[in-house]
Amino acid sequence: EIVMTQSPATLSVSPGERATLSCRASHIISTNLAWYQQKPGQAPRLLIYDASTRATGIPARFSGSGSGTEFTLTISSLQSEDFAVYYCQQYHFWPQYIFGQGTKLGIK
Amino acid sequence: QVHLVQSGAEVKKPGASVKVSCKASGYTFTTYGVTWVRQAPGQGLEWMGWITTYNGHTNYAQKLQGRVTMTTDTSTTIVYMELRSLRFDDTAVYYCARALRGGAQDYWGQGTLVTVSS
Repeated sequence: EIVMTQSPATLSVSPGERATLSCRASHIISTNLAWYQQKPGQAPRLLIYDASTRATGIPARFSGSGSGTEFTLTISSLQSEDFAVYYCQQYHFWPQYIFGQGTKLGIK
Repeated sequence: QVHLVQSGAEVKKPGASVKVSCKASGYTFTTYGVTWVRQAPGQGLEWMGWITTYNGHTNYAQKLQGRVTMTTDTSTTIVYMELRSLRFDDTAVYYCARALRGGAQDYWGQGTLVTVSS
């Protein structure tokens, strides 16, 4: 069974600084990975799919990279609205589209 | 504009069943699959399964096999998720989401809170 591990669990960053979030897969998943943002009381929002493709309407400060088992979501200059929980999800192994446990990005 | 609108909150007793609906609009319904994801209070996201809307083919998460059924009505563009033999730990917000061909979910419903309580 595939396991998705996100690190760190919690990250504190100052507005305007860069944030780097990691996601590791227990098996090779090529680039079949998505990143989501979730704010309290809201549904998740797709940010990145296929590891590095920004979804429609997502600002350029969000970027994704990686392949195989190691992936990164980078937010280049944090805005106040970016403080949220971020999840990665693999969709390589069908039909278990497992999510990572999430990284909570907070204000420093 | 793509919209997924879900049915309202439910309170059920242990052992009962719940059926949540998800009305899709703003796109060609049968071109995209629909997935269901749930989130227990204060917890992360759990993928439940996928339904291919043009033929009704389904795939479910292993832990829910035998208790969950997803169906689709192409005439009304509604997808349903039924969960049976409810347990206390099924208490969660249930989301439907449109699935891109590769598997990522790009549009989400607003969520439906299902509370299992005696």
